[in-house]
Amino acid sequence: EDQVTQSPEALRLQEGESSSLNCSYTVSGLRGLFWYRQDPGKGPEFLFTLYSAGEEKEKERLKATLTKKESFLHITAPKPEDSATYLCAGRSGGTYKYIFGTGTRLKVLA
Amino acid sequence: NAGVTQTPKFQVLKTGQSMTLQCAQDMNHEYMSWYRQDPGMGLRLIHYSVGAGITDQGEVPNGYNVSRSTTEDFPLRLLSAAPSQTSVYFCASSSSGTGAETQYFGPGTRLLVL
Repeated sequence: EDQVTQSPEALRLQEGESSSLNCSYTVSGLRGLFWYRQDPGKGPEFLFTLYSAGEEKEKERLKATLTKKESFLHITAPKPEDSATYLCAGRSGGTYKYIFGTGTRLKVLA
Repeated sequence: NAGVTQTPKFQVLKTGQSMTLQCAQDMNHEYMSWYRQDPGMGLRLIHYSVGAGITDQGEVPNGYNVSRSTTEDFPLRLLSAAPSQTSVYFCASSSSGTGAETQYFGPGTRLLVL
C-alpha cells in the first residue's frame, strides 16, 4: 500500500535556527514527490516537485532534496513568516493519485 | 487568471440534505481532483478527473459523486449528507507537462453537517 509519512508532527524553531523536515515514502513507481505550504484557513500552496533521487530544488530559504526512500525540506535561517504547515505528497506511477502525508506544523519564534 | 475557485466558502447542512460544491479553473488543466482534509488525517483524495468526460475514484469516494462535462468545471455532489462528511474540501488542478507538474489548490469549502 502506498504511504507517505512526515516527521516531526510539529517543530518549534528560533528565528535563524536551521532545521530539516522529513518525508518518508513508499509509493509504487513514484512519478513525482511534491512539497506544499499551507497557512491556516487556506489551501495548500505548491512549493516544489522532485522527480529523481539526487534532485534538489531551492526557493529562498527552502531547499528540497530527494532520495529513493525519503525527501527532506531544509529550512535555512527561518523567519517567523515561514511558520506554516508543510505537506509532502507522492504521485504513484501510471495514475494521477496523490498520496499526502499528515504534514509538519512549523512555528518560528522571533 | 483566477486560478482555482471554489464556492461556497462555508456551508451548513442537515443530515440527509444534498448539495453541490463548485470548482472551476481557468488554466486549461486536464487534471482536477477533490480532497477532504480532516484533523490528523491529512488530505485524502475523493475523486479525480483526467479530462472532460473521464472521472475515477480516489481513496474515500463513498457518499460523493462527480462529473466533468467541461475542462473548466468539476463539481462535487454530496448525495445525502452525513455528519461524517463534516470536513474542509479542497479542489485542485494540475498541469501535466513533463518535468513541470504543478498542482494548484482552491481556497477550500468548510462544510458542517448537523
